[in-house]
Amino acid sequence: QIQVLQSGTEVKKPGASVKVSCKASGYTFTNFGISWVRQAPGHGLEWMGWINPDNGDTNYAQKIQGRVTMTTDTSTNTGYMELRSLTSDDTAIYYCARAHRNSGSYTWFDPWGQGTLVTVSS
Amino acid sequence: DIQMTQSPSSVSASVGDRVTITCRASQGINSWLAWYQQKPGKAPKLLIYAASSLQSGVPSRFSGSGSGTDFTLTISSLQPEDFATYYCQQANSFPYTFGQGTKLEIK
Repeated sequence: QIQVLQSGTEVKKPGASVKVSCKASGYTFTNFGISWVRQAPGHGLEWMGWINPDNGDTNYAQKIQGRVTMTTDTSTNTGYMELRSLTSDDTAIYYCARAHRNSGSYTWFDPWGQGTLVTVSS
Repeated sequence: DIQMTQSPSSVSASVGDRVTITCRASQGINSWLAWYQQKPGKAPKLLIYAASSLQSGVPSRFSGSGSGTDFTLTISSLQPEDFATYYCQQANSFPYTFGQGTKLEIK
């Protein structure tokens, strides 16, 4: 079946970087985007950006632009999200999701990975 | 950024009730709206896309409507598994934004 499986829990110190992976299966990887969304403890959902695995095009939320890099490896059907210069405000569950294309952009997200908890603490 | 405001923030209802959740966008987003369901400790699940299209596998008791700035998610007859938090999301312009969520609780 169609699924995306994420890497495990991370604990990082302020100023460090984290790289989360997202392995897709059950569909043609390059026919859909990969989007990343995060959720701080007890809070709502925040869209971070997406990547087109077919050509590497990305679109990042301005709030984190300059600190985030999204990549894909089409040989392993895996997406990656690297976030640098971490602060305590980056403590959250990070989700990847298959992103559906409409009118030249990626819009809806389904299915989602199980989430990766990233804790930033000294 | 487009602000998405959901109402109510929480609602109590009983099995079999009809429930409506509203999502208002701070500017027009045509029909570029999705609804997600999230249960505690789980990832969100897509229910509705393009404002009114039912995602494959989602029960028909879920329906969506609206366009422009005002949207609704309706659950026609609540089932025990429907108690969760619901989020709307706009995909009209970047950055994509979500509503703050509506928690649906058992009365």
